[in-house]
Amino acid sequence: DAKTTQPPSMDCAEGRAANLPCNHSTISGNEYVYWYRQIHSQGPQYIIHGLKNNETNEMASLIITEDRKSSTLILPHATLRDTAVYYCIVRRFNDYKLSFGAGTTVTVRA
Amino acid sequence: NAGVTQTPKFQVLKTGQSMTLQCAQDMNHEYMSWYRQDPGMGLRLIHYSVGAGITDQGEVPNGYNVSRSTTEDFPLRLLSAAPSQTSVYFCASSYETSGNNEQFFGPGTRLTVL
Repeated sequence: DAKTTQPPSMDCAEGRAANLPCNHSTISGNEYVYWYRQIHSQGPQYIIHGLKNNETNEMASLIITEDRKSSTLILPHATLRDTAVYYCIVRRFNDYKLSFGAGTTVTVRA
Repeated sequence: NAGVTQTPKFQVLKTGQSMTLQCAQDMNHEYMSWYRQDPGMGLRLIHYSVGAGITDQGEVPNGYNVSRSTTEDFPLRLLSAAPSQTSVYFCASSYETSGNNEQFFGPGTRLTVL
C-alpha cells in the first residue's frame, strides 16, 4: 500500500472549517483513500473514503486532487467533540487490511 | 445491534501468564482483525480473518494466536505474556460491499503485563 504523510498536529477554532491535508504521492490506480479518527483512546471511527471523485457525507468532505497524489479532509464546522487523532490511509480495492500511521492530532479550541 | 464487543475492558497479567481476549460482532461481517496500539502510536495489525476457518498474520503476530470457528467470534490468545505486550488491543470487523471497507472497531482492551 502507498505510504501517507500527514502533519503531526493542528489547531482549529470551534465553528470554523478544519482542513486536514494528506500526501500519498505513490498511490496506485486501484487504491482508495480512507479517513478514520480516534477520539481519546476509543476505537477508531470511519469517516469517509474516496477513489478519485470528491466525496461528502454527514461528517465530512473529502477532496482528492486530480493526480490523486494528495487529499484534504474537511470538517465543515468543527466542534470540541471533533478533537481527535485523524488517520489518512491508502488501501487497495481488494485488501481488507488497514495500515495506520501516526495521524494528525487535531485540537479544536473554543 | 451491539456492534463489536470486547471483553475484558482491563486486564493485568504477570509475565508468563496466558489469557484470551474476546471479540464478538453481531453484524454478520466476514472480515475481523486484531490491532494493538502502544502509547502515542498508531494501530498495528496482529492477525486477521476473512471468514470462519481462515486466519492470517498481520504486521506483529509473534506471541499471539487466533482462531475463527464462527463468523461472530474472533478470540486473541496470548500464549506467555511479556511486558512488551502491554498495550491497548482493538478488534475490528467489516463487510466488504462495492469497494467500501468501513471497519467497525470495538472499545478496546487495556492490557498491562507486569
